[in-house]
Amino acid sequence: AQSVTQLGSHVSVSEGALVLLRCNYSSSVPPYLFWYVQYPNQGLQLLLKYTSAATLVKGINGFEAEFKKSETSFHLTKPSAHMSDAAEYFCAVSDQGGYKLSFGAGTTVTVRA
Amino acid sequence: GAGVSQSPSNKVTEKGKDVELRCDPISGHTALYWYRQSLGQGLEFLIYFQGNSAPDKSGLPSDRFSAERTGGSVSTLTIQRTQQEDSAVYLCASSLRINHQETQYFGPGTRLLVL
Repeated sequence: AQSVTQLGSHVSVSEGALVLLRCNYSSSVPPYLFWYVQYPNQGLQLLLKYTSAATLVKGINGFEAEFKKSETSFHLTKPSAHMSDAAEYFCAVSDQGGYKLSFGAGTTVTVRA
Repeated sequence: GAGVSQSPSNKVTEKGKDVELRCDPISGHTALYWYRQSLGQGLEFLIYFQGNSAPDKSGLPSDRFSAERTGGSVSTLTIQRTQQEDSAVYLCASSLRINHQETQYFGPGTRLLVL
């Protein structure tokens, strides 16, 4: 079964600093990977997804992620944090059937002024 | 408002009562999913529907949980004889079709509290 592991349940960054959220996957086949963001009391919103077209994926709000097969990783980054980035972030992988998403435990990001 | 909508947004019920949660997917989306988000279990898949195919119920935690999708659009998730451990946020999502690459668009969720 495919799965993802997010390292660090909570990340605190200063405004303007680099945001780095770690995600490692386990999959016996080429995975399809997603990053979602959840703002308080809202549903999940897609930030970006990897579908094998390119290893460096750019998403919304200045986020990007790089797929590294050798490291089985799909870490999410943003060069300069903004107060509005405070939210919970989930890494997810779709299963071989193409529909179920398996989510990581989530990483909560707080941004310090 | 072309997104996924869910109702009610919040539901408080007493243990043992039945509850129904509703999901209206994005128009034209053939696939619909239910997930549950709870403190102890994180985000977990419950069930999905694709067109007229039989639903995949493999994620439903017990036979107290059931779901249906009428007319290929609106879906209702029913929990019978609710228990306190059913307290969670129930998220609905839809996608254009079933495919590895398809983006699932999520609704705002229904927050269920079982007293």
